Amino acid sequence: KQEVTQIPAALSVPEGENLVLNCSFTDSAIYNLQWFRQDPGKGLTSLLLIQSSQREQTSGRLNASLDKSSGRSTLYIAASQPGDSATYLCAVPLKETSGSRLTFGEGTQLTVNP
Amino acid sequence: KAGVTQTPRYLIKTRGQQVTLSCSPISGHRSVSWYQQTPGQGLQFLFEYFSETQRNKGNFPGRFSGRQFSNSRSEMNVSTLELGDSALYLCASSLMTVQETQYFGPGTRLLVL
Repeated sequence: KQEVTQIPAALSVPEGENLVLNCSFTDSAIYNLQWFRQDPGKGLTSLLLIQSSQREQTSGRLNASLDKSSGRSTLYIAASQPGDSATYLCAVPLKETSGSRLTFGEGTQLTVNP
Repeated sequence: KAGVTQTPRYLIKTRGQQVTLSCSPISGHRSVSWYQQTPGQGLQFLFEYFSETQRNKGNFPGRFSGRQFSNSRSEMNVSTLELGDSALYLCASSLMTVQETQYFGPGTRLLVL
């Protein structure tokens, strides 16, 4: 059974700081890994999708890496801004199913202070 | 391109009632998944529909059911509501397979009194 863990559970940083969010998964046989952002009471916004054959994906100030063999992914946020404050979730699909069922981590709640 | 839409956005029901939530996927997307999000349990998978067929099902009681129409729009129904069903219900759509990005709607906030 795939389990996804995110560390830390919460993080508070001053504006401008570079930061790293961590995601680990127990079964390395994954199709891909997706990072999402969730603002309070809102839906999830897809940030990055990394296929299992990729090592990195970049979008603006965000960079996600994937190390399948060690069961880890990191989300790097450069030059953080107060608008980056949100909960960040990583998710992987269950490989034993043919469909789109995702297993989520518990999330990292990020606060960027002005 | 319009995103995933969910209606209604907010609902208040009483115990024992039933509720139907609706999800319209992104145009061209054929897979729709439903998730329940609560503070204690996080995001939990309910079920997934593809081409009007349930392709995957999570570990929820039979009170939770769903369906998908020929235009890929999906509904989920919860019968005999319990207090513990209070949650944010999210739907996600993708083109076809697990290898594509999943896009989530804004959610329906259900409060059961």
